[in-house]
Amino acid sequence: GAVVSQHPSWVICKSGTSVKIECRSLDFQATTMFWYRQFPKQSLMLMATSNEGSKATYEQGVEKDKFLINHASLTLSTLTVTSAHPEDSSFYICSARKVSGRAFGPYNEQFFGPGTRLTVL
Amino acid sequence: SQQGEEDPQALSIQEGENATMNCSYKTSINNLQWYRQNSGRGLVHLILIRSNEREKHSGRLRVTLDTSKKSSSLLITASRAADTASYFCATDGTSGTYKYIFGTGTRLKVLA
Repeated sequence: GAVVSQHPSWVICKSGTSVKIECRSLDFQATTMFWYRQFPKQSLMLMATSNEGSKATYEQGVEKDKFLINHASLTLSTLTVTSAHPEDSSFYICSARKVSGRAFGPYNEQFFGPGTRLTVL
Repeated sequence: SQQGEEDPQALSIQEGENATMNCSYKTSINNLQWYRQNSGRGLVHLILIRSNEREKHSGRLRVTLDTSKKSSSLLITASRAADTASYFCATDGTSGTYKYIFGTGTRLKVLA
C-alpha cells in the first residue's frame, strides 16, 4: 500500500501563534511532497512543493515566510504556519509522490493525506 | 493557480441515474486523476488515466480523456445516495515538476 498520514488531524490555536503540521509517508519514500490548502466549498489550491534536502518551491502568491516548509527526511515534511491569523483557518492537505523506480515518463503516483483542519481564533 | 475547470459546478440527480462530470484543462499533461471528497473529509482516489490512454473503467466509474480537446469526463452509472460528494480532477503538467493542479470541482447530490 501507500499510506500518507498527517498530524494533527485538527488544531485550534490563538491568533499570533505558530502551528506545525506533519505529513508522513508511512510505507514508502517520498523525495517530493506537496502542500495544498482548501477553503470551504472550494477546490484544493497548491501552496508549495517540498523537496527532500532542498528548499521548497512556492506557488505564486504564497508567502514563504508565512508558511515554512521543511522536508528533513524521505518520509517527513512539515508545514509551519507562522503567526497564524483567522484568515489562515483552512483545511491543509499534503500529498507524497511515490518513487516508483521509473525516473521519468508519464507515471506520477501521488498519495494524499487525510488533511488537517486549522482553526485560528 | 487552477489548471482545470469542471462543469457542471453542481449536479443533482435521482438515485439510479447516471452522473457525468466534465473537466477541461489548459496545458499538456502526463496524467489526469479523479478524486472524490465527502464534506469536510480527505480525498479518495478514484482513477488515474495517462495521456496515452483514452478510457478507463473501475466498477461503476468510467473515465475518458481527449487530449486533443484537453478534456476528460467522469461517468458514474447507477448512482447511489452514497455517491453524494464533491468530485475533482487533477492534472500534472509536462514540465517535470510532478505537481498536480486541481480543477474547480463538481458537487454531486444524489437524491434517494
